[in-house]
Amino acid sequence: NAGVTQTPKFRILKIGQSMTLQCTQDMNHNYMYWYRQDPGMGLKLIYYSVGAGITDKGEVPNGYNVSRSTTEDFPLRLELAAPSQTSVYFCASSYSMGPGTGYSGNTIYFGEGSWLTVV
Amino acid sequence: GQNIDQPTEMTATEGAIVQINCTYQTSGFNGLFWYQQHAGEAPTFLSYNVLDGLEEKGRFSSFLSRSKGYSYLLLKELQMKDSASYLCAVQYNAGNNRKLIWGLGTSLAVNP
Repeated sequence: NAGVTQTPKFRILKIGQSMTLQCTQDMNHNYMYWYRQDPGMGLKLIYYSVGAGITDKGEVPNGYNVSRSTTEDFPLRLELAAPSQTSVYFCASSYSMGPGTGYSGNTIYFGEGSWLTVV
Repeated sequence: GQNIDQPTEMTATEGAIVQINCTYQTSGFNGLFWYQQHAGEAPTFLSYNVLDGLEEKGRFSSFLSRSKGYSYLLLKELQMKDSASYLCAVQYNAGNNRKLIWGLGTSLAVNP
């Protein structure tokens, strides 16, 4: 299994441009997440999805959009890129986070990360 | 509210033992994770505790005390490759779902 795959690995954007970070997982996980990580700030949840067709905002959703048309894919869209969106982005997935979920279902698996610079 | 604290940086010597502490304040606690993150890489899962006590996994052990809101990650026989950031994350119940809050991470430097 490839696990969680995200692309691109590196990208430089100009202010005002738009782009989509792609994320796909082959573990049949129903939960998927997008995080951003800034130096000294820890992981911040942007959006998450509990299954195909269902998405919800995390802590820092402004400037981003997501969709979940299939179980496998969870792309993150940046509209009108701003310098504040310069960050490392991680896509992640887990089997479930719902009540009654056992240990193995709670583990979150991360993609390798996407380094985005907005200039 | 939900909050996690862990030391920002620690230094240890190769072959030694180091303990990384994590304290948390949360309602609806439902498990605590430890992740390892090397510079420039994604976090990788190390351990999960939901009951009080010690979970041992090779050179790494994790301890949880729910009544004290306290966990630690114990790394034995330190190796240079253990130099990384160690993230503590707490899972809690939020309505019909569970959510996760992440600590800022403890950067561990292992010196020869």
